[in-house]
Amino acid sequence: EPEVTQTPSHQVTQMGQEVILRCVPISNHLYFYWYRQILGQKVEFLVSFYNNEISEKSEIFDDQFSVERPDGSNFTLKIRSTKLEDSAMYFCASRWTVDIDEQYFGPGTRLTVT
Amino acid sequence: SQQGEEDPQALSIQEGENATMNCSYKTSINNLQWYRQNSGRGLVHLILIRSNEREKHSGRLRVTLDTSKKSSSLLITASRAADTASYFCATRNGSEKLVFGKGTKLTVNP
Repeated sequence: EPEVTQTPSHQVTQMGQEVILRCVPISNHLYFYWYRQILGQKVEFLVSFYNNEISEKSEIFDDQFSVERPDGSNFTLKIRSTKLEDSAMYFCASRWTVDIDEQYFGPGTRLTVT
Repeated sequence: SQQGEEDPQALSIQEGENATMNCSYKTSINNLQWYRQNSGRGLVHLILIRSNEREKHSGRLRVTLDTSKKSSSLLITASRAADTASYFCATRNGSEKLVFGKGTKLTVNP
């Protein structure tokens, strides 16, 4: 069964460093998402991406964040200058078409900022 | 803003028993989805119910939706130890984002 994959599974970085989290959505899905979950808290929406542009973003998704689909398979989330409060589990998700509402999530990347 | 809030926060049952989890939300929705998360792992989509549906079944799962009360319930019948996980409801109201609740942590004791 097709699934969303994410790499790395765990990333440790120092405050102020740039990180890139990578995702391979399910092939032929058209909508892509990033969510994050700070330990013990709710899963929070960050951004949605469709047709090579951001379709919606949350207040969390400030200028320090960016997303990119550099080729036909990868979907990346970049944090330019990480802060301690960026430590969280980051989930990528994808959805097939406008008529299909189910979002399929990857296993997540645990980001630890020290 | 809408919020999905599950209750109870934690539920411990014996294998074979049924588990019922509830979710409440605040604004109108297009659909409500339930996800499972095993400890430290990703979110697994379980079932989606649309705003014009009242009940839906999938295997041992039964979901109900009451839009007048802005609430949903997830019933897992004949629970198994492997059902031990956190369960989240997530709502969508026409925007792209899913809004998640805090989840119910279910423990099924063998």
